[in-house]
Amino acid sequence: GNSVTQMEGPVTLSEEAFLTINCTYTATGYPSLFWYVQYPGEGLQLLLKATKADDKGSNKGFEATYRKETTSFHLEKGSVQVSDSAVYFCALLDNYGQNFVFGPGTRLSVLP
Amino acid sequence: DTEVTQTPKHLVMGMTNKKSLKCEQHMGHRAMYWYKQKAKKPPELMFVYSYEKLSINESVPSRFSPECPNSSLLNLHLHALQPEDSALYLCASSQEPNYGYTFGSGTRLTVV
Repeated sequence: GNSVTQMEGPVTLSEEAFLTINCTYTATGYPSLFWYVQYPGEGLQLLLKATKADDKGSNKGFEATYRKETTSFHLEKGSVQVSDSAVYFCALLDNYGQNFVFGPGTRLSVLP
Repeated sequence: DTEVTQTPKHLVMGMTNKKSLKCEQHMGHRAMYWYKQKAKKPPELMFVYSYEKLSINESVPSRFSPECPNSSLLNLHLHALQPEDSALYLCASSQEPNYGYTFGSGTRLTVV
């Protein structure tokens, strides 16, 4: 079946540090890939997405590139802020558009 | 309006109570979802409504009863819940899953 694996953390960084959160997936066909962010006490917000190989999703300084050869969709940001502290979920949607699978989430804490 | 609104935000109920969670969206999205999220875990899909018809029920116990009165509203009726049902219940909607889901802020349910 489809699955998503990501580093669970917690990840603790200082403000302005470079961020990478690894995400790899297992799926048949060509899934769409997503990053969602959940701030404390809130629901999930779509951060960025990519629907085909080599697509790069970007939003609010975050980027992720759909790498089919390594089945990965790593999240990066060049300079994190305290306000980026949240839980980040990598997710895939299978190519039938029926099955949305979330990774376990990575908790990020950014210290001033 | 680009939001999914969930009410109430917090709910405490006894094991013999009957209560309902409400979810509303006015984005014209054709699909609506209920997810359950335990602490430090990713959301788990419970139900999917597509064009106001239940299309997916992920083997959820009958003490959870979904209802979709119209294309903008989604309810989750709760009856005879157990303490282990305490969780954050998230509603989401989408026009096309490949575009991503829009999540509400959730209802934090505590069963005592």
